[in-house]
Amino acid sequence: GDSVTQMEGPVTLSEEAFLTINCTYTATGYPSLFWYVQYPGEGLQLLLKATKADDKGSNKGFEATYRKETTSFHLEKGSVQVSDSAVYFCALSPRWNQFYFGTGTSLTVIP
Amino acid sequence: NAGVTQTPKFQVLKTGQSMTLQCAQDMNHEYMSWYRQDPGMGLRLIHYSVGAGITDQGEVPNGYNVSRSTTEDFPLRLLSAAPSQTSVYFCASRGTGGQNTQYFGPGTRLTVL
Repeated sequence: GDSVTQMEGPVTLSEEAFLTINCTYTATGYPSLFWYVQYPGEGLQLLLKATKADDKGSNKGFEATYRKETTSFHLEKGSVQVSDSAVYFCALSPRWNQFYFGTGTSLTVIP
Repeated sequence: NAGVTQTPKFQVLKTGQSMTLQCAQDMNHEYMSWYRQDPGMGLRLIHYSVGAGITDQGEVPNGYNVSRSTTEDFPLRLLSAAPSQTSVYFCASRGTGGQNTQYFGPGTRLTVL
């Protein structure tokens, strides 16, 4: 069935370090892919998305490219800040009424 | 435009009590859903609705009821609360267009003693 597998956490980085959080998926057809972010005590917010192969989603310095050949949608940021500390969720939507989340990756950025 | 709103933000129940978690959206979205979030398990779908009068079960529906009498509202009812239902509950909505971005409410933190 359709599913998302994302990198286990927690991840701890120093400020200005490079971030990669891996996400791979299993799905038939051409799903839409998303990264959501959850700051402490808040709900999930859409960070970025991509709806077709080779699309690159980007927002707030984060990027992810939809790679159909490797079924991946890895999240990257060149220089993290303390304010990026949050839990990041990869998500998959193979059809408009279906949505699958990864288990989340906790990121802590230390000054 | 408030997006997705949820009430209450926090709730403590005793085992066996019942309650309703409220969810409303003002984006005229047809699709609404309820998730629970537990440590190490990500988000799990409880129930969802594809429009007024239509609901269906998700991955973990037992112990919960839903109804959808209007496009805007999608309440979640706990019939007889159990400690295993201690969790954070999120309501979400999205439209049926190709963009299918899902928008989340701020969550309800429920503790069942």
